[in-house]
Amino acid sequence: GAVVSQHPSWVICKSGTSVKIECRSLDFQATTMFWYRQFPKQSLMLMATSNEGSKATYEQGVEKDKFLINHASLTLSTLTVTSAHPEDSSFYICSGEIWDGQETQYFGPGTRLLVL
Amino acid sequence: SQQGEEDPQALSIQEGENATMNCSYKTSINNLQWYRQNSGRGLVHLILIRSNEREKHSGRLRVTLDTSKKSSSLLITASRAADTASYFCATDFTGGGNKLTFGTGTQLKVEL
Repeated sequence: GAVVSQHPSWVICKSGTSVKIECRSLDFQATTMFWYRQFPKQSLMLMATSNEGSKATYEQGVEKDKFLINHASLTLSTLTVTSAHPEDSSFYICSGEIWDGQETQYFGPGTRLLVL
Repeated sequence: SQQGEEDPQALSIQEGENATMNCSYKTSINNLQWYRQNSGRGLVHLILIRSNEREKHSGRLRVTLDTSKKSSSLLITASRAADTASYFCATDFTGGGNKLTFGTGTQLKVEL
């Protein structure tokens, strides 16, 4: 149980376009989902906390108007990278939080974004 | 930054040997977790140790936590080639609202 999927798994886009990444909890309801970014050979950096039915909470230094997060249901959160630029190229990973005796995050497989 | 440090950054061992990775963090925590990431893939949760625990075992994994030194270690015994991956510690720091702060990671390579 506790499976999280992401779509697409990879995307290549032109500079200036917007890209939407979906994060779904397949077998549980996630009131809270998290979005992370990981650059090559680096650690995961939390971008924002997504709460169902309310606005996302962004980490310091993350532009909320550039990285739009929508958590419209208990099983789906989306991250839209608006007007993408090459420096936005990265590996984006989401997680869904579930209570299984403790608050545990289950991670999706990640989405690799390449902006040309 | 709350980010923790891990050492070594990279570790190469022979199959059957033990691998030890260390993690240090900066603030008080509710718990500390270890994750594995295969190249270009998502994270797999390995083990969680609470702030009031000192040691925990799960199969070939042994985790220790020393809150006085703000450090943790992950020991993988009798390593296998399939253990080759990056390993990250992540802290749920006190007052962080269940957010996880990841360490810098250790790249483990287990050779046949």
